[in-house]
Amino acid sequence: EAGVTQFPSHSVIEKGQTVTLRCDPISGHDNLYWYRRVMGKEIKFLLHFVKESKQDESGMPNNRFLAERTGGTYSTLKVQPAELEDSGVYFCASSQGTSISDEQFFGPGTRLTVL
Amino acid sequence: KQEVTQIPAALSVPEGENLVLNCSFTDSAIYNLQWFRQDPGKGLTSLLLIQSSQREQTSGRLNASLDKSSGRSTLYIAASQPGDSATYLCAVGSGAGSYQLTFGKGTKLSVIP
Repeated sequence: EAGVTQFPSHSVIEKGQTVTLRCDPISGHDNLYWYRRVMGKEIKFLLHFVKESKQDESGMPNNRFLAERTGGTYSTLKVQPAELEDSGVYFCASSQGTSISDEQFFGPGTRLTVL
Repeated sequence: KQEVTQIPAALSVPEGENLVLNCSFTDSAIYNLQWFRQDPGKGLTSLLLIQSSQREQTSGRLNASLDKSSGRSTLYIAASQPGDSATYLCAVGSGAGSYQLTFGKGTKLSVIP
């Protein structure tokens, strides 16, 4: 069974540009999460989808970040326009069912560098 | 607001030693706790998941315990090996209706051959 995959693995962009990150969850997992770790900090939650619906977006830092999950399969996270402080590693995770205590499985992350 | 602390931040041990990594959390109303491993430049690998009703979980040389009332978890690694060198992260699930995990900053473990 394939794990959570993320694309690209690395992205280097200029301040003010737009970047779109993609996440493919484990097949059959209804729950999809985005997290990020910025330099020197712990990993922090951004948002949670159940199928195509945003269940919790309390961790989204501002309106420059837009997450979508059309059709309830893969998800994209767009940053527009990117700022220097957006640099970090963005992780995607998925979990299977409707239980709040289901195990979350993480992808390898996308390292974003904003110059 | 849930806060997770991991002590120590870094640990170096000779091969073969048994060791304990610590995790503490401020809000004891959790529904689960996960221990992860992260290798440099890689993603997070889930090691153990403990539900709030459980006291411990074991997988191979790893044993994780949970004491909700005191807000603590420990990860015990028996007979450490150089391949165990990695950063170990503790994350708790808590918050009414929230699926989000709150992470600690991790413990960087080095096992010296």
